[in-house]
Amino acid sequence: KNQVEQSPQSLIILEGKNCTLQCNYTVSPFSNLRWYKQDTGRGPVSLTIMTFSENTKSNGRYTATLDADTKQSSLHITASQLSDSASYICVVRVNYGGSQGNLIFGKGTKLSVKP
Amino acid sequence: NAGVTQTPKFQVLKTGQSMTLQCAQDMNHNSMYWYRQDPGMGLRLIYYSASEGTTDKGEVPNGYNVSRLNKREFSLRLESAAPSQTSVYFCASRSSVLSYEQYFGPGTRLTVT
Repeated sequence: KNQVEQSPQSLIILEGKNCTLQCNYTVSPFSNLRWYKQDTGRGPVSLTIMTFSENTKSNGRYTATLDADTKQSSLHITASQLSDSASYICVVRVNYGGSQGNLIFGKGTKLSVKP
Repeated sequence: NAGVTQTPKFQVLKTGQSMTLQCAQDMNHNSMYWYRQDPGMGLRLIYYSASEGTTDKGEVPNGYNVSRLNKREFSLRLESAAPSQTSVYFCASRSSVLSYEQYFGPGTRLTVT
């Protein structure tokens, strides 16, 4: 069964600290993996998309890594800010061909950054 | 450029009532999607439309209908609302040409009592 598991479920850190969120997936055939940020009461917003051949991708203070062999990804946040408080969702696209209806969503990690 | 817009933002229905959630995008995207998000669960696909004039069922289509009115608009209808349909509903759109990226709307929070 195609699944995406994220850990931890929730995390509290102090402003200015770094943190790493984990994503493990059992999705086949794999197409790409994406990380979304979802602020409370808002829709998800894309941070990164990584294909099979990409190991690392950065977007400002966000750096995502992908190990396609172990089917693991991480999202590292550097020098956290209060505005980083949000849920972070890992999403894997299944390569069924075509373009539709084949995203597997994780449940998300809820990050709280405290002053 | 507003991206993906959804109306209404909030709605309370009684069991058995019907309503339509509206979604529009101004990015000229071919594909549009409806998801629901429940506490402790990942987003789940209800219906999608690969292009104007086509619609297909997703993971959880029961109790819903959709209409792809034109390239911009994709509506979701609940014919007879049930408490199990209490959820946050997100519309998304995607360009089939440029990337795999999906762009989400702000969501509609629906409560069925």
